[in-house]
Amino acid sequence: GDSVTQMEGPVTLSEEACLTINCTYTATGYPSLFWYVQYPGEGLQLLLKATKADDKGSNKGFEATYRKETTSFHLEKGSVQVSDSAVYFCALFYNQGGKLIFGQGTELSVKP
Amino acid sequence: DGGITQSPKYLFRKEGQNVTLSCEQNLNHDAMYWYRQDPGQGLRLIYYSQIVNDFQKGDIAEGYSVSREKKESFPLTVTSAQKNPTAFYLCASSITMNTEAFFGQGTRLTVV
Repeated sequence: GDSVTQMEGPVTLSEEACLTINCTYTATGYPSLFWYVQYPGEGLQLLLKATKADDKGSNKGFEATYRKETTSFHLEKGSVQVSDSAVYFCALFYNQGGKLIFGQGTELSVKP
Repeated sequence: DGGITQSPKYLFRKEGQNVTLSCEQNLNHDAMYWYRQDPGQGLRLIYYSQIVNDFQKGDIAEGYSVSREKKESFPLTVTSAQKNPTAFYLCASSITMNTEAFFGQGTRLTVV
């Protein structure tokens, strides 16, 4: 079945460092892809999305490109801030079942 | 303000008791979802509903039940048959299939 795999955390970076969180997926057809962010004790917030191959989603300095040839949707940011510390989830929408499927999440900790 | 409201934020129950978690949305979304989150395991889908009066089991439906009698409401009952109910429960909704989901703030259930 469809699935999402993320790099394991925790990821610890210094402020202003570059960030990449890897996400790969397995899916039939052409799923929509999403990145969500979760701050401690809260629900998930949509960070960005891409609905077709080669689309680039971007928001708050974060970017991710839908790469069909490598089945990837890596999250990137050029300069992280302490306030970016959170758990990041990659997800895909499974068209044939109407389900939103999540990766296991990657915890990011940014130190001053 | 439009959004998804989960209540209560914290819930304590004795082992063997059924408990119902509330989820209400005023976004006029057709689809609604319940997820369970455990530390280090990401989000797992319990039940989802694509339209009122219809719902499907997710990956971990055993020990849970839902109803969708109204478009705006999708309550989740955690029954005594659920062997390990202590977890963080997240409700979400989306306009239709294949669109981004919006999440509530979650309910942390502790069974003692």
